[in-house]
This record gives sequence, C-alpha cells and structure tokens, in this order.
Amino acid sequence: RKEVEQDPGPFNVPEGATVAFNCTYSNSASQSFFWYRQDCRKEPKLLMSVYSSGNEDGRFTAQLNRASQYISLLIRDSKLSDSATYLCVVNMFRERSQGNLIFGKGTKLSVKP
Amino acid sequence: DADVTQTPRNRITKTGKRIMLECSQTKGHDRMYWYRQDPGLGLRLIYYSFDVKDINKGEISDGYSVSRQAQAKFSLSLESAIPNQTALYFCATRGTGNQPQHFGDGTRLSIL
Repeated sequence: RKEVEQDPGPFNVPEGATVAFNCTYSNSASQSFFWYRQDCRKEPKLLMSVYSSGNEDGRFTAQLNRASQYISLLIRDSKLSDSATYLCVVNMFRERSQGNLIFGKGTKLSVKP
Repeated sequence: DADVTQTPRNRITKTGKRIMLECSQTKGHDRMYWYRQDPGLGLRLIYYSFDVKDINKGEISDGYSVSRQAQAKFSLSLESAIPNQTALYFCATRGTGNQPQHFGDGTRLSIL
C-alpha cells in the first residue's frame, strides 16, 4: 500500500458543482493531516489543516476517518478559480524523520464555465 | 517579502556543470527541505535538515549535496549536472511540532 494515495483525476466539473476528493494513508500512527493546493508550475500552498472532528473553511470541508485511514476534502459551489491540483499530506514516522510530511501525487480539478 | 526565498528562479545550463540552488527563510524555522517535482511523479524529497548540524538524505539524494550554512540558509548543489535532473525544485521550511510546511516559489532548472 502506498503511504499516501490519491485518485489523480482529472475531475472535470461545472461551476457551482460540489466535488469531493478522498485520500488514504498507510501509517495508523500519523497525527498531522493537511490539504495543499498547487497551481500549474507554482509552489504548493496550504489550503487547510484537517482536524479529528472535521473542519470547515468557507466552501471547503475537510474530514478525517482514523479507523479507515482516509481524509477527504469537499468543495461546495465550485468556482473557476478552484481549478488546481489538490495534494493530500500526512506525517509519517520513520527512523530520524521526526514525522516528515509525505505528499500525495495530487488530484487535478478542472472547473468549467 | 516572501518568507521562503529561492534563487535563481530559472536556470538553464549544460551537462557536467556544477550548479547551486539557494534557499533562505525569515520564518525562524529549524526544519528545512529540498524537493524536486517532475510531471506525474509528485514531490520527491532530496535532502532535509533539522538544524545546522543535522543533514539527512531523502528518497532521491544521489547526484545532489546540500549545505546548511545557517538556520536561515539551506543550499542544494548538483556537482555535475545531467539532463535527467531537469525538474522544478522546491525548498520548504517547517516549524516545530505538527506544523505544515511552507514552500518557496521554486527553481525551474533545465540541463541541456
């Protein structure tokens, strides 16, 4: 099982649609979870942290399911500007790594007019 | 001003040349990282450092070396560049505990 696995997409949705991404992770000891957004040829930027109880930031909702080891990102009322690649990020504990963050390969979202 | 600054932003060079990519940060973070990104492969960790005296290899360190000159500076060197090192390179920093990472703008490196 890959350490962090995402559906690469692309997800092609119309403006106003609701879209959900899932991500699975392999290490049950992971404690930190994030979603990043990356625009084409730009640096990844933190979108939101993911908390155990789930959290919301405007149109974005993140949830964590520890039992099944997956996190999700829900985007409501999609905008053209939401078009980007969304990276699932989880910390992993390996020798000397101090819980380095592991980045998924990303899910590409394209929002169409 | 950016918190994590990479220089140069773009570089085109020839096979066999020595190249240094620089990263500086004003965030006061101890942890610093170098990644490369290739289409379809995601971010791959090259080297990371937890403080000035602590340097660790990542998953793809062959052909690269690093230097942590100060808490705020972490440079990546390609001693003898080869074409398959053509990629987008990112520096990142991270604070203590379970904090997220913060990335620089990236360096686009092309080796002919």
